[in-house]
Amino acid sequence: GAVVSQHPSRVICKSGTSVKIECRSLDFQATTMFWYRQFPKQSLMLMATSNEGSKATYEQGVEKDKFLINHASLTLSTLTVTSAHPEDSSFYICSARDQGTQPQHFGDGTRLSIL
Amino acid sequence: GENVEQHPSTLSVQEGDSAVIKCTYSDSASNYFPWYKQELGKRPQLIIDIRSNVGEKKDQRIAVTLNKTAKHFSLHITETQPEDSAVYFCAATLPGSARQLTFGSGTQLTVLP
Repeated sequence: GAVVSQHPSRVICKSGTSVKIECRSLDFQATTMFWYRQFPKQSLMLMATSNEGSKATYEQGVEKDKFLINHASLTLSTLTVTSAHPEDSSFYICSARDQGTQPQHFGDGTRLSIL
Repeated sequence: GENVEQHPSTLSVQEGDSAVIKCTYSDSASNYFPWYKQELGKRPQLIIDIRSNVGEKKDQRIAVTLNKTAKHFSLHITETQPEDSAVYFCAATLPGSARQLTFGSGTQLTVLP
């Protein structure tokens, strides 16, 4: 089945640090990847839709200059949280969809803790 | 945009009993409805999905029903087991190039041994 790999699984760093999270589709090509944020005991909230070779589409209220998304190839999208602060601490999950098909396949998530 | 509501937020059942989780959606154009199971700290895992041209789908102990007229769909788990305990999310997708998922708020299911 389709596999999505996400790294790192856990990040603990100081306030002001920038953190990069990678999302890879291992056995399929993903023209579209999605980035979600999930706070404890809450649902998954879509942050942005990442399109290969073009700019990401951000959801309302998500700062594009703070959450930089790059989707340079059909198998890799990255999310960089710039100048992270404690309020950015959350569980970040990516997903990818094989071209033209459903469903979305999720990565294992990244637990980000900003001290 | 699409809006998905999910009920109940928590559900406790005895092992062997059935569990039902219900969702409603707002946009009648939505055409794909997956259900995900998420264990604590883990990725959401697809357990079953249904498309708008089908009214019901079953996979062993799990079934999903869809009522397009009422714009609601339900997850049914029969013969529940302790390992079914998790958070379950419904979602809906509108047709289009992105086909983003809009998630419900989740249901914490606890199966008591």
